[in-house]
Amino acid sequence: EIVLTQSPGTVSLSPGERATLSCRASQSVSSSYLAWYQQQPGQAPRLLIYGASSRATGIPDRFSGSGSGTDFTLTISRLEPEDFAVYYCQQYGSSGPALTFGGGTKVEIK
Amino acid sequence: EVQLVESGGGLVQPGGSLRLSCAASGFTFSSYWMHWVRQAPGKGLVWVSRINSDGSSTNYADSVKGRFTVSRDNAKNTLHLQMNSLSDEDTAVYYCARDLKDFWSGAPLRACDMWGQGTMVTVSS
Repeated sequence: EIVLTQSPGTVSLSPGERATLSCRASQSVSSSYLAWYQQQPGQAPRLLIYGASSRATGIPDRFSGSGSGTDFTLTISRLEPEDFAVYYCQQYGSSGPALTFGGGTKVEIK
Repeated sequence: EVQLVESGGGLVQPGGSLRLSCAASGFTFSSYWMHWVRQAPGKGLVWVSRINSDGSSTNYADSVKGRFTVSRDNAKNTLHLQMNSLSDEDTAVYYCARDLKDFWSGAPLRACDMWGQGTMVTVSS
């Protein structure tokens, strides 16, 4: 069973700073099926990135995804106040039909 | 408006049953795979189940296999999750989510591009 490990667990940054979030898989993941989500408190998740690097509809270009194999990264180039949230990576296909989520990274205001 | 609206959550005793529904509107429901994802209080996202567009194929997380059943009524644009033999470990917000489709091929991309607001299920005596 594949495990997605996100790091750091929590990162404290200021608006305008760059955020780099990591998602490491316990075995190789198809880039076609690696996604990133943002979740605000009390709200449903929102799809940011699919296929490791494609932005979902309506997602600002300050969000970018990269990586392959077992190491993937979500980068937020300049943090806006509304970007402080929890981010999850998710994969499909490396361990059957399930979607597997990482444990999440909280981006908090410094 | 394009949206998913869950209903059916509530308080249930251990061993009990509950049926969740997810009403879809604003898009061609019958063309999309659908998922159920849950989130225990203060915890992360956990995938529960998936159903293909015509309902002929389903998959479940090991933790719910044999207890939960996903189904859909494409005529009524509705997704269901029948949950039996509930335990306190099933306490969570349950979200229905739409699987993103590739624009050109129409194939599911295994990422959830639309989510409902969630419905809370509490299993407690």
